Amino acid sequence: DARVTQTPRHKVTEMGQEVTMRCQPILGHNTVFWYRQTMMQGLELLAYFRNRAPLDDSGMPKDRFSAEMPDATLATLKIQPSEPRDSAVYFCASGSGSGTSGRVNTGELFFGEGSRLTVL
Amino acid sequence: AQSVTQPDIHITVSEGASLELRCNYSYGATPYLFWYVQSPGQGLQLLLKYFSGDTLVQGIKGFEAEFKRSQSSFNLRKPSVHWSDAAEYFCAVGRGGYQKVTFGTGTKLQVIP
Repeated sequence: DARVTQTPRHKVTEMGQEVTMRCQPILGHNTVFWYRQTMMQGLELLAYFRNRAPLDDSGMPKDRFSAEMPDATLATLKIQPSEPRDSAVYFCASGSGSGTSGRVNTGELFFGEGSRLTVL
Repeated sequence: AQSVTQPDIHITVSEGASLELRCNYSYGATPYLFWYVQSPGQGLQLLLKYFSGDTLVQGIKGFEAEFKRSQSSFNLRKPSVHWSDAAEYFCAVGRGGYQKVTFGTGTKLQVIP
């Protein structure tokens, strides 16, 4: 059963520490999205990639956040230094370039279970 | 810019009752519309989608949604709610392809016996 895998599922760290979250997209998917979910802001798009190249990272605080795809099977989201306001659930989602409705790429996303980050 | 409004933050329905969750979108062209469901501690799962054709679309778990261009709406419905439907529901809009998907703020559904 193909699924998006995220690690760690839970992370508690202290302010100022570096945090790295990892995502393994579904094999064959060539778009990867990072979302952040909080009670106050809901789901916010941080960044997304197509064929490992960043398409849009305008939702990401550039001074402390960075997102990369070292290869097609791994996406990373790094926060350095972390702050209490970064506490949230971070979701990775992947999509298929060929779509699941014939040749139409509808842009539907497959989500991982999320990484819950708590920064003290 | 594309946007999605879900006017109901929280809805409570009795088991067996019908359900309608509202969604309004803002988009300059024909949108690709989605409904996702999120159970506690889980990621989002696609319920259904619309991108062309019949404006009434069927999804998983007995859900359906109707696209109404004149009202810029894509409301989610279910004739008879089950206790297992308690979750948070998100409406989303995109342009298909590799374009980004924008989510609404979600509606939490509580189901009472």
